[in-house]
Amino acid sequence: QSALTQAASVSGSPGQSITISCTGTSSDIGGYNYVSWYQQLPGEAPKLIIYDVSNRPSGVSNRFSGSKAGNTASLTISGLQAEDEADYYCNSYSSISTRVFGGGTKLTVL
Amino acid sequence: ELQLLESGGDLVQPGGSLRLSCAASGFTFRSHGMSWVRQAPGKGLEWVSTIGADEYTYYADSVKGRFTISRDNSENTLYVQMNSLRAEDTATYYCAKYSGRTLGDVWGKGTAVIVSS
Repeated sequence: QSALTQAASVSGSPGQSITISCTGTSSDIGGYNYVSWYQQLPGEAPKLIIYDVSNRPSGVSNRFSGSKAGNTASLTISGLQAEDEADYYCNSYSSISTRVFGGGTKLTVL
Repeated sequence: ELQLLESGGDLVQPGGSLRLSCAASGFTFRSHGMSWVRQAPGKGLEWVSTIGADEYTYYADSVKGRFTISRDNSENTLYVQMNSLRAEDTATYYCAKYSGRTLGDVWGKGTAVIVSS
């Protein structure tokens, strides 16, 4: 059960936009629109910020947006703020392993 | 308020067993799938197991045959029985609720399992 592929780290300055990519296969991201993204602040439990590729739960800032093209999903954070500094994980339904997470991306706000 | 509260984490020797619990409140527990997700120290999230509202169960290859997920809808509680524990099972274990096909619209705070002699 291979994890989805994410860059280990990304950084940006306040006000900028950044994009985190998550690459899988046709058995997971490419085959289904069940991609979710989670934000994990230091020492805390994960929090759902995007589901079904591009939907935001109630209460999540509209600065967070999601998309998908082929086997790659993306999370974009616009108007970067210091409070966005966290680890971000993607997750997809998989026909092979039911659920698979990405390795996580650490976002640093410069 | 929707809430999940894990318990049962402990220090256990390799080869030992442990049962984790997750008490749910604030929603109709029996109507939702539930999962266990773990995170080894300094590492990423790893899906461990899911039990559907229909009680079908699914496991990651890394725990298949050793872990058993179950639920008690009368007690609004999710369980995972962990046997033949290994050092690599050391992690914080989170329970997470499904909303439809979405994993983790609600998460617990986690419970720590340490497998060491």
